Amino acid sequence: GAGVSQTPSNKVTEKGKYVELRCDPISGHTALYWYRQSLGQGPEFLIYFQGTGAADDSGLPNDRFFAVRPEGSVSTLKIQRTERGDSAVYLCASSLRGTVSGANVLTFGAGSRLTVL
Amino acid sequence: KQEVTQIPAALSVPEGENLVLNCSFTDSAIYNLQWFRQDPGKGLTSLLLIQSSQREQTSGRLNASLDKSSGRSTLYIAASQPGDSATYLCAVSSVGKIIFGKGTRLHILP
Repeated sequence: GAGVSQTPSNKVTEKGKYVELRCDPISGHTALYWYRQSLGQGPEFLIYFQGTGAADDSGLPNDRFFAVRPEGSVSTLKIQRTERGDSAVYLCASSLRGTVSGANVLTFGAGSRLTVL
Repeated sequence: KQEVTQIPAALSVPEGENLVLNCSFTDSAIYNLQWFRQDPGKGLTSLLLIQSSQREQTSGRLNASLDKSSGRSTLYIAASQPGDSATYLCAVSSVGKIIFGKGTRLHILP
């Protein structure tokens, strides 16, 4: 596609529920990143995919968070047993190559706003 | 562990003034540094990318510089306009991840 697409744009759920957030990167981009942004803060790194594999998942806060990218394009961020503290905007970005390339411009999606009641 | 700091956290200036936003990082082993703009409730838009071998990049009224050895970057905005009002974020690319600062909220007064 022309840009990075994220769905849903807004998600309201109850504490304890399971949530999936989807990211459709720019076609041909091998690198995909998930970030979480709380109000007034910069984006916080969660996980980085190079192709189908998670090259760095050190930012995932705990084992309730999991992400997959089975075919090297679309990625899904999965959150189990949601808590109120998970409320944030979840941003996805893609780049043509990974971080080892000096010229890897990131293109971000508009984000998925998650509210846990 | 890479840490990115942006100063000031917020800035208000009259229209037409030139201004400088600052970004510092703790680990100089970076691949590149990017400046982004974020409008309220929106995603991030890439403004400029400076590779580690470069010292500056220019796009229109924007000029970004990079001093890797001192761990600093600046974003210079010339002849500011009300449409420049947004949050400006810098992000540093290191091995495996890209780390963001908290941003500078810029308000241009008409």
